[in-house]
Amino acid sequence: GIQVEQSPPDLILQEGANSTLRCNFSDSVNNLQWFHQNPWGQLINLFYIPSGTKQNGRLSATTVATERYSLLYISSSQTTDSGVYFCAVDILTGGGNKLTFGTGTQLKVEL
Amino acid sequence: DTEVTQTPKHLVMGMTNKKSLKCEQHMGHRAMYWYKQKAKKPPELMFVYSYEKLSINESVPSRFSPECPNSSLLNLHLHALQPEDSALYLCASSQEISAGQGFWEEQYFGPGTRLTVT
Repeated sequence: GIQVEQSPPDLILQEGANSTLRCNFSDSVNNLQWFHQNPWGQLINLFYIPSGTKQNGRLSATTVATERYSLLYISSSQTTDSGVYFCAVDILTGGGNKLTFGTGTQLKVEL
Repeated sequence: DTEVTQTPKHLVMGMTNKKSLKCEQHMGHRAMYWYKQKAKKPPELMFVYSYEKLSINESVPSRFSPECPNSSLLNLHLHALQPEDSALYLCASSQEISAGQGFWEEQYFGPGTRLTVT
């Protein structure tokens, strides 16, 4: 099956710092989502981004589907950004989009 | 409203018990999903329902039995579970972009049920 690797696996930032998270995938995909999983387990949708660049406040994402990677940028990080960031790729099926999640990046933002 | 709700939030059950997890969405989505997430691991797909029919079963053991009574509800019936089945169970839903084309929009997740099997 498709492999989805994220880097770095762990990241510690000082509040106010910027960071880039990477997602590499091994095959063509129909779509890609970025999620933030908070400490209580809730997966929060960040971006739905098959290609191109999107921005939402301090976050932005870029997907280059032809080169099989996506990047998530976090600027001016805050302690509330802590948690696990997952990318998930969508393989086309007739019966619903089958998401395969990446390995995740555990982010901790410190004061 | 992009809300998916799940009940209960927490569940502790013995290996001989029968219990059910419930999931509900009112976004008019026609695909619903169950995922299992072990600690410090990514979520893994278990089942997909499309238009209230089971469309994907990821070789899940029969002690997990999904049910989709209508387009808004998804249940997961649990029976004779093992301690290794303890995990966070997540429900999600998505909408088809163009009817019958098999292209689905982004998935939205519920808060999960944290299951402990003793």
